[in-house]
Parts: sequence; C-alpha cells; structure tokens
Amino acid sequence: AQTVTQSQPEMSVQEAETVTLSCTYDTSENNYYLFWYKQPPSRQMILVIRQEAYKQQNATENRFSVNFQKAAKSFSLKISDSQLGDTAMYFCAFMKQYNNNDMRFGAGTRLTVKP
Amino acid sequence: NAGVTQTPKFQVLKTGQSMTLQCAQDMNHNSMYWYRQDPGMGLRLIYYSASEGTTDKGEVPNGYNVSRLNKREFSLRLESAAPSQTSVYFCASMAGDSSYEQYFGPGTRLTVT
Repeated sequence: AQTVTQSQPEMSVQEAETVTLSCTYDTSENNYYLFWYKQPPSRQMILVIRQEAYKQQNATENRFSVNFQKAAKSFSLKISDSQLGDTAMYFCAFMKQYNNNDMRFGAGTRLTVKP
Repeated sequence: NAGVTQTPKFQVLKTGQSMTLQCAQDMNHNSMYWYRQDPGMGLRLIYYSASEGTTDKGEVPNGYNVSRLNKREFSLRLESAAPSQTSVYFCASMAGDSSYEQYFGPGTRLTVT
C-alpha cells in the first residue's frame, strides 16, 4: 500500500516570508497524482495544488509551488509571501492513476503564519 | 451552488446508539467518498461509491455501512456506535474527469461516549 509521510507536525513562519512543507511517499507505481490540501480552522478541505507524476515541470498556483522529485519520492510545498490566511493544516495526498478511489493522505503539517 | 453539504455538523452519541450521517452534492459528480479524520493520522477512506448504485469498502470500513441513494446523496450509517468511532467525518465527491480533484463537505464532528 502507498504511504505518505509528512515529517513536520508543526511549522511557523513570519508574514511575507517563504516556508516549505515536506512530503515523501512510498510507491512502486510509475503513474500517479500528488496533491496538497489546505484545512483552515473552519475544517473545510481545499485543494491547493496538484501534480501529475508524468509531468516533469513543477506545478505552480500563484504563491504556491511544489518541488517534485520523482526519483526521491519527494513532493514539497513552497508558500511564498506568506499571509495570515495561510494559517491551516496542510495535507499531502497520493493517488494512483486510474484508481480514483484510493487517495492516501499524510498526517498533516500545522502551519502558523505570525504577524 | 452549495457544493458538498453534510448534516449534522456535530453529534454526540452513547455507546450502542445508531445514527446516519447525510451527504449531498449538487455538482453532478459520479464518485463520492466518506473519510474519517483522527488526530495525527490524516484522512482515511471508509467507503466510496464510484457511481450511483455501487459502493465499496475503503481502508477502514468496519462498523459502518453506506447507501448511495441516488447520484446526489451518499449516507454513512453507524449501526452500533463505539468510542473508537469518535472522529471527524468528511464526505467528498469527484467528477471523474482528469482533474482528480475531490471536493469536500464541511465535516461532522462525532463524539461517542
């Protein structure tokens, strides 16, 4: 079974600075998808960014970008110009291609953005 | 367009009681899911439904049953609640297109005493 590991239970960053959240995963698959979800205090899970494993280019969504290292099975999230609204739990998730019924989540990283 | 809705938002049960968590989506999605979220463990899949009329077990199905009533609705039932089922429950849906994005409801916090 695929496993997803987030080794940083908690992190903090000053407003306007940059922070990187780590995620590693274990799989024997070659084709898969990786996701970062944000869960603010409201509990609502929101997709932040998505990466297809067959794409070499790292995904970017405004202030959010990833560093996808397929050989190392690493998928980190970089948040630039951190804002107070970025305070949330962040979950890394993995899903095999053509198997959209088996999403595996990491344990999460609690990020606090300080003013 | 409400997205994914769940009821109730909070519930307290005594051990052995039963209840049904309701979920509905208005995005015409084919796939729907039930997850539980426990501290330090992320989300784990309980059951899923790939399409109307079909359901299947996920990672942690014991103690739960589900019904895909129609394309919109997917309910989760606890027949005899146990303290180990204290958790936050999330329903999600996915279109089945190449986006693979799951849309989540606001969650139900369930406490079993």
